[in-house]
Amino acid sequence: DIVMTQSPDSLAVSLGERATINCKSSQSVLYSSNNKNYLAWYQQKPGQPPKLLIYGASSRESGVPDRFRGSGSGTDFTLTITSLQAEDVAVYYCQQYYSAPYSFGQGTKLEIK
Amino acid sequence: EVQLVESGGGLVQPGGSLRLSCATSGFTFSRYSMNWVRQAPGKGLEWVSYIIGSGSTIYYADSVKGRFTISRDNAGNSLYLQMNSLRAEDTAVYYCARCLEDVRALLYWGQGTLVTVSS
Repeated sequence: DIVMTQSPDSLAVSLGERATINCKSSQSVLYSSNNKNYLAWYQQKPGQPPKLLIYGASSRESGVPDRFRGSGSGTDFTLTITSLQAEDVAVYYCQQYYSAPYSFGQGTKLEIK
Repeated sequence: EVQLVESGGGLVQPGGSLRLSCATSGFTFSRYSMNWVRQAPGKGLEWVSYIIGSGSTIYYADSVKGRFTISRDNAGNSLYLQMNSLRAEDTAVYYCARCLEDVRALLYWGQGTLVTVSS
């Protein structure tokens, strides 16, 4: 089974500053036949279900602000929020859908400094 | 508008059973893979199970394998999770979630239904 590990567990960033969340998989989630990474990022606010932000490691879902950027390949991935807004306070999760069980990272709680 | 509405949660004793349902609308249900994901109180997300549109491919988390059964009714646009031999550690909000069309990332989520396993 693939284990997903996020860092840090929590993060405090000033408004307008950059926030960076890392996600590492215990084995590669890059599918060689199509050169796609099977990695997604979600945002979850209190009392709400998760919201898909990024899939394929770097493809932004429709309607997601362009300050959210996904990068990385293989086993190491990053979610960057380029200019933090107040509404970005949430817990962020990565998930691999390369092979079942489709595991999530433990989550990173993002707060305003 | 895509809608996913879970039901069937509640309080159940350890060792008991419960059947969750997810009623869907706003898309052609049979074309999409579906999942169950759970979240224990104050904890992170845990993927539980996956079923392809035809129902021919199914996966489970190790923590529920042999106890939970995922199924779907494509004529009725509904997803199910039969949960047997429930344990305290199964206490969680259970979400149904729909995949993107050709990608197994989870685009649409229901609001969840709470399952509490306690004596």
